[in-house]
Amino acid sequence: QSALTQPASVSGSPGQSITISCTGTSSDVGSYNLVSWYQKHPGKAPKVIIYEVSKRPSGVSNRFSASNSGNTASLTISGLQAEDEADYYCCSYAGSSTHVVFGGGTKVTVL
Amino acid sequence: QVQLQESGPGLVKPSQTLSLACSVSGGSISSGGDYWSWIRQHPGKGLEWIGYIYSSGSTYYNPSLKSRVTISMDMSKNQFSLKLSSVTAADTAVYFCARDWKSGTGAFDIWGQGTMVTVSS
Repeated sequence: QSALTQPASVSGSPGQSITISCTGTSSDVGSYNLVSWYQKHPGKAPKVIIYEVSKRPSGVSNRFSASNSGNTASLTISGLQAEDEADYYCCSYAGSSTHVVFGGGTKVTVL
Repeated sequence: QVQLQESGPGLVKPSQTLSLACSVSGGSISSGGDYWSWIRQHPGKGLEWIGYIYSSGSTYYNPSLKSRVTISMDMSKNQFSLKLSSVTAADTAVYFCARDWKSGTGAFDIWGQGTMVTVSS
C-alpha cells in the first residue's frame, strides 16, 4: 500500500481538463511544499513534470499545473492530448525519518 | 548532459543478495547538492523509493527496506551501487537509478532506463 493515495484511473476527451488528486498526511504533503509529479509511459523511465508543488522544469508543457491544499496535492492537465495518456505519480518529502514517499499512480486515459 | 545507466544481473536466487550499479556520465557524483537514488517498480505496481546517497557518503533508506539495503558510491568509477540482501520473489521489480537534484526531497530529474530483476530459483 502506497503512502500517498491517488485515484487508480482518470479519463478525459481530447481538449478537456482533468485533475489528479494525491492525498497524504500532515507528515508529508501537509507539512512540506515538496511535492513532485512524474509522468511515466510504459517501458520508459519516469519524467518529472512538476517539482516543489507547482514548478515546471524547463521544457515541460504549461498544460501541466499543480497545487497543494492541506494534505492533498493536485495535478491538472489542461487541453488533454493523446500523448498525455500515461501513468502519473505524485511524490512527497516526508521528513528526516521516512524521507520520500510515492503515490500508487494514476492511469490517465484519453478517450 | 548527465546520463545514468543501470547494470547488473537480471536474475537473482531467493535468499541471495541483489547487486546493481548505476554509472553516471556527463557529470560527477562527487559534486555537491545531488542525491543519487534507487527507486523500484514492482510489476504492474507503483514506484517505491529505496534510498539515496549524498556525495559526502551519507545514506538514507526507506524504513521498510532499511535492514536489507546498502547504497554505496565509487567515485573512481563515477558510479553508485545498490545491494539488497535476503531477496524474495517480492523483490522482483524494475530498478531505476535517479538523481534527486533538490537536496533529497523527492525531485528526481534524471533517470536511468531501468533494469528488470527477477528473483527466482
